[in-house]
Amino acid sequence: SQQGEEDPQALSIQEGENATMNCSYKTSINNLQWYRQNSGRGLVHLILIRSNEREKHSGRLRVTLDTSKKSSSLLITAARAADTASYFCATDEDNAGNMLTFGGGTRLMVKP
Amino acid sequence: DSGVTQTPKHLITATGQRVTLRCSPRSGDLSVYWYQQSLDQGLQFLIQYYNGEERAKGNILERFSAQQFPDLHSELNLSSLELGDSALYFCASSANEGGEQYFGPGTRLTVT
Repeated sequence: SQQGEEDPQALSIQEGENATMNCSYKTSINNLQWYRQNSGRGLVHLILIRSNEREKHSGRLRVTLDTSKKSSSLLITAARAADTASYFCATDEDNAGNMLTFGGGTRLMVKP
Repeated sequence: DSGVTQTPKHLITATGQRVTLRCSPRSGDLSVYWYQQSLDQGLQFLIQYYNGEERAKGNILERFSAQQFPDLHSELNLSSLELGDSALYFCASSANEGGEQYFGPGTRLTVT
């Protein structure tokens, strides 16, 4: 079963615009992670935010976490065509070992 | 390149058959995770091993089994295959338990 739900399911923007993806989850977590997947390929880890953190940056990526609302967002600033991919949030839940529970993903298309 | 290798890349087999998927984690990583990605179920955690011991179990069917060997590589065995087992199977590794996971390129299994 999937813990996270991502919104939107698909997003199409122009190069240079910002892309925001949202993730909601159901249980308490140790951390939340964002991954990128290019079509049919392996997942690439982007960023990890711990449950006691509220915001984290990595290059053009900004992630926020609101544990009271059980939600997170991923912002990609000044998107490039190469950012076209599916983006998944994954939660490392409390008391669930170290498995990651993935959301359904957001398909991002960045048009040149 | 994540440093995680998986073989084979593609596998086509018939219903009722048995296959073995192999994973070599990143050098030094003790944890190995297996995930299944299908169109209808999304990304699902199957099982985790840490230094040879089973640590967490997810939605893994009884027809599926896995193990981690002393050299830390892991194998996922799928038996009595059904059409619905067709999916991408990913292996991931992490240095310890928890934290970011590094995914291999996956094995695409097609059951005909």
